[in-house]
Amino acid sequence: AQSVAQPEDQVNVAEGNPLTVKCTYSVSGNPYLFWYVQYPNRGLQFLLKYITGDNLVKGSYGFEAEFNKSQTSFHLKKPSALVSDSALYFCAVREGTGRRALTFGSGTRLQVQP
Amino acid sequence: DVKVTQSSRYLVKRTGEKVFLECVQDMDHENMFWYRQDPGLGLRLIYFSYDVKMKEKGDIPEGYSVSREKKERFSLILESASTNQTSMYLCASSTLFGTTEAFFGQGTRLTVV
Repeated sequence: AQSVAQPEDQVNVAEGNPLTVKCTYSVSGNPYLFWYVQYPNRGLQFLLKYITGDNLVKGSYGFEAEFNKSQTSFHLKKPSALVSDSALYFCAVREGTGRRALTFGSGTRLQVQP
Repeated sequence: DVKVTQSSRYLVKRTGEKVFLECVQDMDHENMFWYRQDPGLGLRLIYFSYDVKMKEKGDIPEGYSVSREKKERFSLILESASTNQTSMYLCASSTLFGTTEAFFGQGTRLTVV
């Protein structure tokens, strides 16, 4: 079975400061990992993914994420937060050779204060 | 630009009604999915389909059914709506390859009264 944990319901950060949104996963095979963002009353927008290769992946809007196999983590990061980054962020996993559907975490609300 | 379109943004239905939520994608994707989103629970998979007329149960299929008669269209059916099915419903599609991301519709907020 595949699962994702996002340990923080909410993350608060000041504009201009770096941000990190945490994600840990559990799969029995190789993980395919994804981050999505959701703005109010909208669907999910894809940010970035890790499939294989370099552990640091870069995505949309200046976001990046670091894959750490030993810690089974895939934390989302951004060097300098913007107020417009305030949204709900979801981490998701799919096992490489298993189930076709993504399994999502519970989500982390990011609040960037001016 | 790729698109997944859900037929309604907001729906209000009465307890016991049969409810249809429609989803159409224009990307010729094999996989289509229905999730429900509830605060603190994230997205939970209801059903998915990997081909026309094919379906598999997700994590919370009770009280729901699905229909996929054409590749581009995937319908979620609430056989007899109940108040605990009040939620945000999200449709998504993806290619067969596990390496590709899923694309989501804008969501349908369903209220059952």
